[in-house]
Amino acid sequence: DAGITQSPRHKVTETGTPVTLRCHQTENHRYMYWYRQDPGHGLRLIHYSYGVKDTDKGEVSDGYSVSRSKTEDFLLTLESATSSQTSVYFCAISGGRGGDEQFFGPGTRLTVL
Amino acid sequence: GQQVMQIPQYQHVQEGEDFTTYCNSSTTLSNIQWYKQRPGGHPVFLIQLVKSGEVKKQKRLTFQFGEAKKNSSLHITATQTTDVGTYFCAGPGGATNKLIFGTGTLLAVQP
Repeated sequence: DAGITQSPRHKVTETGTPVTLRCHQTENHRYMYWYRQDPGHGLRLIHYSYGVKDTDKGEVSDGYSVSRSKTEDFLLTLESATSSQTSVYFCAISGGRGGDEQFFGPGTRLTVL
Repeated sequence: GQQVMQIPQYQHVQEGEDFTTYCNSSTTLSNIQWYKQRPGGHPVFLIQLVKSGEVKKQKRLTFQFGEAKKNSSLHITATQTTDVGTYFCAGPGGATNKLIFGTGTLLAVQP
């Protein structure tokens, strides 16, 4: 497996609290992505990054923000968590241009009560 | 916007039976990728198809890219319990380096 770690792996939090999920890679890949996975919806892109400090929105970005200050780290922040953000979050990386394979991290299971 | 649909959503087979999942895009794709996610795991890249009408095989798995490059299929011959999981197709999402994933097909294999 590619060198991708996510932390924490599991988190339970309460509505209204801020939450930050971290994705760390050791592959020096240019592109990093955050997805959420929910039953019946497959993988939906939240935000992605195409370089340090270069990020863009995906299809379900409302309520989420991201930051990438270093090549190896991509942070996903829920400013004020809601129950609808209960999900499994996956980070992914890829090294090339459009269509290159993506390597996924192990995922973070987030529960918002 | 661009959509990638997969059917069926779920398939239950007896071990040894064949299985096929179909992927359809609302737009023409430059390539299509397939991923497998084991229960409780993360998606893992299987293969990428680029050419119109391309067929690739990986042991018991056969992947096909349609002539119009808007559809694809994954066929598994003689399923085994190790094939259990969700299979996703994914295509490039516009001009940027994004992938649009299909909704996935969950395969259950009964021994």
